[in-house]
Amino acid sequence: DIQMTQSPSSLSASVGDRVTITCRASQDINSYLVWYQQKPEQAPKSLIYGASSLQSGVPSRFSGSGSETDFTLTISSLQPEDSATYYCQQYRKYPITFGQGTRLDIK
Amino acid sequence: EVQLLESGGGLVQPGGSLRLSCAASGFTFGNYALSWVRQAPGRGLEWVSGIRTGTTTYYLDSVKGRFTISRDNSRNTLYLQMNGLRAEDTAIYYCVKGTGDTGYYFDFWGQGTLVTVSS
Repeated sequence: DIQMTQSPSSLSASVGDRVTITCRASQDINSYLVWYQQKPEQAPKSLIYGASSLQSGVPSRFSGSGSETDFTLTISSLQPEDSATYYCQQYRKYPITFGQGTRLDIK
Repeated sequence: EVQLLESGGGLVQPGGSLRLSCAASGFTFGNYALSWVRQAPGRGLEWVSGIRTGTTTYYLDSVKGRFTISRDNSRNTLYLQMNGLRAEDTAIYYCVKGTGDTGYYFDFWGQGTLVTVSS
């Protein structure tokens, strides 16, 4: 199985900060990587797919990069509504696997 | 508008069974792969099972032989039959739609149905 490892597991940042979350795959997944945002009591929502493509309707402050085993989600200017848990997920092969999540709090 | 509405969750004793259903609308059901993803209380996301547009199915190792995923394209409904339930199966179960039949991610999620396995 492909293991997905996110870092950090949690972070706190201020409005306007640039925030970066990383995700590492245990083997090459090409660009079959998606980022989700989950707010409390809500289902996850996709932000970035194909490692770097912005999902329709998602603010442009979100961006993704990387390929093969190393990936990054960046929020260019943090907003209060970005407080959430973020997950990466690989869809290169079954079983589909998620990272353990990164909880992002606003200072 | 895509909608996925799960039902069938509840409280069940260890060793018991439940059948989850997911009624879908707003897209051509038969053209997309579907999956079940679960989230234990306070924990992360875990993919459980998936089914392609035909009958090809996939399972997480820990549920193989206990869970069965199926779909009824005439009723636009996805199912998950869960037998031999264990405490560690306690979670919110989400029905999720894939963006295609292969090499897909999940573009729509239901609101989830809670399964609690406890005596």
